[in-house]
Amino acid sequence: QITLKESGPTLVKPTQTLTLTCTFSGFSLTTGGVGVGWIRQPPGKALEWLALIYWNDEKFYSPSLKSRLTITKDTSKSQVDLTMTTMDPVDTATYFCARVRAASVFESWGQGTLVTVSS
Amino acid sequence: QSVLTQPPSVSGAPGQRVTISCTGSSSNLGAGYDVHWYQQVPGIAPKLLIYDNDNRPSGVPDRFSGFKSGTSASLAITGLQAEDEADYYCQSYDNYLSAWVFGGGTKLTVL
Repeated sequence: QITLKESGPTLVKPTQTLTLTCTFSGFSLTTGGVGVGWIRQPPGKALEWLALIYWNDEKFYSPSLKSRLTITKDTSKSQVDLTMTTMDPVDTATYFCARVRAASVFESWGQGTLVTVSS
Repeated sequence: QSVLTQPPSVSGAPGQRVTISCTGSSSNLGAGYDVHWYQQVPGIAPKLLIYDNDNRPSGVPDRFSGFKSGTSASLAITGLQAEDEADYYCQSYDNYLSAWVFGGGTKLTVL
Protein backbone atom coordinates (compact mmCIF):
# COMPACT_ATOMS: atom_id res chain seq x y z
CA GLN A 1 0.00 0.00 0.00
CA ILE A 2 1.36 3.37 -1.06
CA THR A 3 1.08 6.22 1.42
CA LEU A 4 2.47 9.74 1.47
CA LYS A 5 2.28 12.32 4.23
CA GLU A 6 3.28 15.96 4.24
CA SER A 7 4.74 17.66 7.30
CA GLY A 8 6.05 21.08 8.15
CA PRO A 9 5.05 24.38 9.71
CA THR A 10 1.43 25.44 9.52
CA LEU A 11 2.24 29.13 9.91
CA VAL A 12 5.12 31.10 8.43
CA LYS A 13 5.81 34.82 8.37
CA PRO A 14 6.20 36.82 5.16
CA THR A 15 9.76 36.71 3.76
CA GLN A 16 10.55 33.51 5.67
CA THR A 17 11.61 30.24 4.03
CA LEU A 18 9.25 27.27 4.09
CA THR A 19 10.50 23.70 4.19
CA LEU A 20 8.04 20.84 3.78
CA THR A 21 8.78 17.13 4.03
CA CYS A 22 6.96 14.34 2.22
CA THR A 23 7.44 10.99 3.94
CA PHE A 24 6.29 8.03 1.87
CA SER A 25 6.00 4.26 2.09
CA GLY A 26 5.06 1.42 -0.22
CA PHE A 27 7.51 2.39 -2.94
CA SER A 28 11.13 3.39 -3.42
CA LEU A 29 12.55 6.44 -5.11
CA THR A 30 15.34 4.26 -6.43
CA THR A 31 12.93 2.45 -8.77
CA GLY A 32 13.20 3.52 -12.39
CA GLY A 33 10.42 5.75 -13.63
CA VAL A 34 9.22 6.80 -10.19
CA GLY A 35 9.07 10.37 -8.99
CA VAL A 36 7.55 12.53 -6.28
CA GLY A 37 5.94 15.85 -7.01
CA TRP A 38 4.60 18.79 -5.03
CA ILE A 39 1.31 20.48 -5.87
CA ARG A 40 -0.45 23.27 -3.99
CA GLN A 41 -4.00 24.56 -3.79
CA PRO A 42 -4.87 28.01 -2.42
CA PRO A 43 -8.18 28.06 -0.52
CA GLY A 44 -11.05 27.76 -2.98
CA LYS A 45 -8.74 27.69 -5.99
CA ALA A 46 -7.30 25.21 -8.48
CA LEU A 47 -4.37 22.85 -8.21
CA GLU A 48 -0.94 24.20 -9.18
CA TRP A 49 2.11 22.03 -9.86
CA LEU A 50 5.29 23.21 -8.11
CA ALA A 51 8.16 20.75 -8.46
CA LEU A 52 9.06 17.16 -9.22
CA ILE A 53 12.04 14.90 -8.55
CA TYR A 54 12.72 11.57 -10.20
CA TRP A 55 14.49 8.40 -9.10
CA ASN A 56 17.59 9.47 -11.04
CA ASP A 57 17.66 12.86 -9.25
CA GLU A 58 16.33 14.79 -12.25
CA LYS A 59 14.51 17.84 -10.94
CA PHE A 60 11.85 20.03 -12.52
CA TYR A 61 10.31 23.26 -11.30
CA SER A 62 7.34 25.43 -12.14
CA PRO A 63 8.73 28.17 -14.40
CA SER A 64 6.91 30.88 -12.47
CA LEU A 65 8.35 29.75 -9.11
CA LYS A 66 11.67 28.24 -10.16
CA SER A 67 13.82 30.90 -8.51
CA ARG A 68 12.20 30.22 -5.13
CA LEU A 69 12.01 26.42 -5.09
CA THR A 70 14.40 23.60 -4.25
CA ILE A 71 13.41 19.93 -4.20
CA THR A 72 15.63 17.21 -2.73
CA LYS A 73 15.30 13.56 -1.83
CA ASP A 74 16.65 11.26 0.86
CA THR A 75 16.05 7.74 -0.38
CA SER A 76 17.32 6.17 2.84
CA LYS A 77 14.57 7.97 4.77
CA SER A 78 11.94 7.73 2.01
CA GLN A 79 11.53 11.48 2.12
CA VAL A 80 11.34 14.35 -0.32
CA ASP A 81 11.77 17.94 0.83
CA LEU A 82 10.50 21.11 -0.81
CA THR A 83 11.97 24.46 0.14
CA MET A 84 10.27 27.69 -0.89
CA THR A 85 11.96 31.00 -0.15
CA THR A 86 10.55 34.49 0.36
CA MET A 87 7.10 33.37 1.42
CA ASP A 88 4.20 35.77 0.81
CA PRO A 89 0.55 35.72 1.91
CA VAL A 90 -0.41 34.66 -1.64
CA ASP A 91 1.50 31.42 -0.98
CA THR A 92 -1.10 30.44 1.60
CA ALA A 93 -2.33 27.06 0.38
CA THR A 94 -2.67 23.38 1.06
CA TYR A 95 0.50 21.70 -0.13
CA PHE A 96 0.29 18.13 -1.42
CA CYS A 97 2.97 15.64 -2.37
CA ALA A 98 2.20 12.86 -4.82
CA ARG A 99 3.85 9.81 -6.34
CA VAL A 100 4.48 10.24 -10.05
CA ARG A 101 4.26 7.31 -12.43
CA ALA A 102 5.14 7.08 -16.08
CA ALA A 103 6.55 10.61 -16.14
CA SER A 104 3.23 12.33 -16.05
CA VAL A 105 0.47 11.08 -13.77
CA PHE A 106 0.15 11.91 -10.09
CA GLU A 107 -0.90 8.45 -9.03
CA SER A 108 -1.13 8.63 -5.23
CA TRP A 109 -1.51 11.72 -3.07
CA GLY A 110 -0.78 12.69 0.49
CA GLN A 111 -3.51 14.22 2.63
CA GLY A 112 -2.02 17.69 2.24
CA THR A 113 -0.88 20.26 4.77
CA LEU A 114 -2.27 23.78 5.06
CA VAL A 115 0.39 26.46 5.24
CA THR A 116 -0.68 29.97 6.19
CA VAL A 117 1.58 32.93 5.51
CA SER A 118 0.83 35.76 7.89
CA SER A 119 2.63 38.13 10.19
CA GLN B 1 -6.10 31.54 -16.24
CA SER B 2 -5.25 27.85 -16.53
CA VAL B 3 -3.45 26.34 -19.50
CA LEU B 4 -6.16 23.67 -19.67
CA THR B 5 -9.67 25.10 -19.82
CA GLN B 6 -12.56 23.48 -18.02
CA PRO B 7 -16.12 24.70 -17.44
CA PRO B 8 -16.44 26.08 -13.89
CA SER B 9 -19.48 23.98 -13.15
CA VAL B 10 -21.76 21.25 -14.44
CA SER B 11 -24.80 19.64 -12.91
CA GLY B 12 -27.08 16.69 -13.40
CA ALA B 13 -29.81 14.72 -11.73
CA PRO B 14 -29.18 11.32 -10.18
CA GLY B 15 -28.97 8.65 -12.85
CA GLN B 16 -28.15 11.10 -15.63
CA ARG B 17 -24.99 11.38 -17.71
CA VAL B 18 -22.72 14.41 -17.55
CA THR B 19 -19.54 15.30 -19.38
CA ILE B 20 -16.73 17.63 -18.39
CA SER B 21 -14.55 19.09 -21.10
CA CYS B 22 -10.86 19.96 -20.97
CA THR B 23 -9.50 22.13 -23.77
CA GLY B 24 -5.78 22.48 -24.34
CA SER B 25 -3.51 23.51 -27.16
CA SER B 26 -0.79 22.34 -29.52
CA SER B 27 1.82 22.40 -26.75
CA ASN B 28 0.02 20.00 -24.43
CA LEU B 29 -2.91 17.79 -25.48
CA GLY B 30 -2.33 18.54 -29.15
CA ALA B 31 1.31 17.55 -28.85
CA GLY B 32 0.26 14.06 -27.88
CA TYR B 33 0.68 14.29 -24.12
CA ASP B 34 -1.73 12.18 -22.15
CA VAL B 35 -4.50 13.70 -20.07
CA HIS B 36 -5.37 12.53 -16.57
CA TRP B 37 -8.42 13.27 -14.43
CA TYR B 38 -8.69 13.69 -10.67
CA GLN B 39 -11.70 13.81 -8.36
CA GLN B 40 -11.51 16.01 -5.27
CA VAL B 41 -14.14 16.02 -2.58
CA PRO B 42 -13.86 19.34 -0.68
CA GLY B 43 -11.38 19.09 2.17
CA ILE B 44 -9.91 15.84 0.84
CA ALA B 45 -6.85 15.18 -1.30
CA PRO B 46 -7.38 14.64 -5.05
CA LYS B 47 -7.84 11.06 -6.20
CA LEU B 48 -6.72 9.73 -9.58
CA LEU B 49 -9.84 8.91 -11.59
CA ILE B 50 -8.65 8.40 -15.18
CA TYR B 51 -5.06 8.09 -16.41
CA ASP B 52 -3.52 8.09 -19.85
CA ASN B 53 -6.68 9.51 -21.46
CA ASP B 54 -9.03 6.60 -20.96
CA ASN B 55 -7.79 4.18 -18.30
CA ARG B 56 -9.36 3.62 -14.90
CA PRO B 57 -7.24 2.73 -11.86
CA SER B 58 -8.34 -0.30 -9.92
CA GLY B 59 -11.41 0.48 -7.83
CA VAL B 60 -12.79 3.29 -9.99
CA PRO B 61 -16.30 2.38 -11.22
CA ASP B 62 -16.82 1.96 -14.94
CA ARG B 63 -19.39 4.77 -14.73
CA PHE B 64 -16.36 7.02 -15.25
CA SER B 65 -14.75 7.18 -18.68
CA GLY B 66 -12.29 9.41 -20.48
CA PHE B 67 -11.76 10.45 -24.06
CA LYS B 68 -9.13 12.52 -25.83
CA SER B 69 -8.95 13.81 -29.36
CA GLY B 70 -6.60 16.44 -30.68
CA THR B 71 -6.42 19.39 -28.33
CA SER B 72 -9.48 18.37 -26.29
CA ALA B 73 -10.45 15.75 -23.76
CA SER B 74 -13.56 14.90 -21.82
CA LEU B 75 -14.64 13.01 -18.74
CA ALA B 76 -18.01 11.29 -18.80
CA ILE B 77 -19.93 10.14 -15.76
CA THR B 78 -22.98 7.96 -16.29
CA GLY B 79 -25.56 6.89 -13.74
CA LEU B 80 -24.84 9.99 -11.66
CA GLN B 81 -24.84 9.42 -7.91
CA ALA B 82 -24.89 11.84 -4.99
CA GLU B 83 -21.39 10.70 -4.01
CA ASP B 84 -20.06 11.96 -7.36
CA GLU B 85 -20.53 15.54 -6.20
CA ALA B 86 -16.98 16.89 -6.16
CA ASP B 87 -14.46 18.99 -8.06
CA TYR B 88 -12.86 17.43 -11.12
CA TYR B 89 -9.49 18.42 -12.58
CA CYS B 90 -7.78 17.49 -15.84
CA GLN B 91 -3.97 17.44 -15.99
CA SER B 92 -1.29 17.03 -18.64
CA TYR B 93 2.20 18.19 -19.59
CA ASP B 94 2.99 21.32 -21.57
CA ASN B 95 6.20 21.35 -23.59
CA TYR B 96 6.17 25.10 -24.23
CA LEU B 97 6.04 25.84 -20.51
CA SER B 98 8.06 22.71 -19.60
CA ALA B 99 5.55 22.19 -16.83
CA TRP B 100 2.94 19.79 -15.57
CA VAL B 101 -0.37 21.67 -15.89
CA PHE B 102 -3.83 21.40 -14.39
CA GLY B 103 -7.17 22.66 -15.55
CA GLY B 104 -9.05 25.19 -13.49
CA GLY B 105 -11.37 22.54 -12.12
CA THR B 106 -15.07 21.82 -12.60
CA LYS B 107 -17.55 21.63 -9.75
CA LEU B 108 -20.08 18.87 -10.30
CA THR B 109 -23.40 19.34 -8.53
CA VAL B 110 -25.82 16.43 -8.28
CA LEU B 111 -29.27 17.97 -8.23
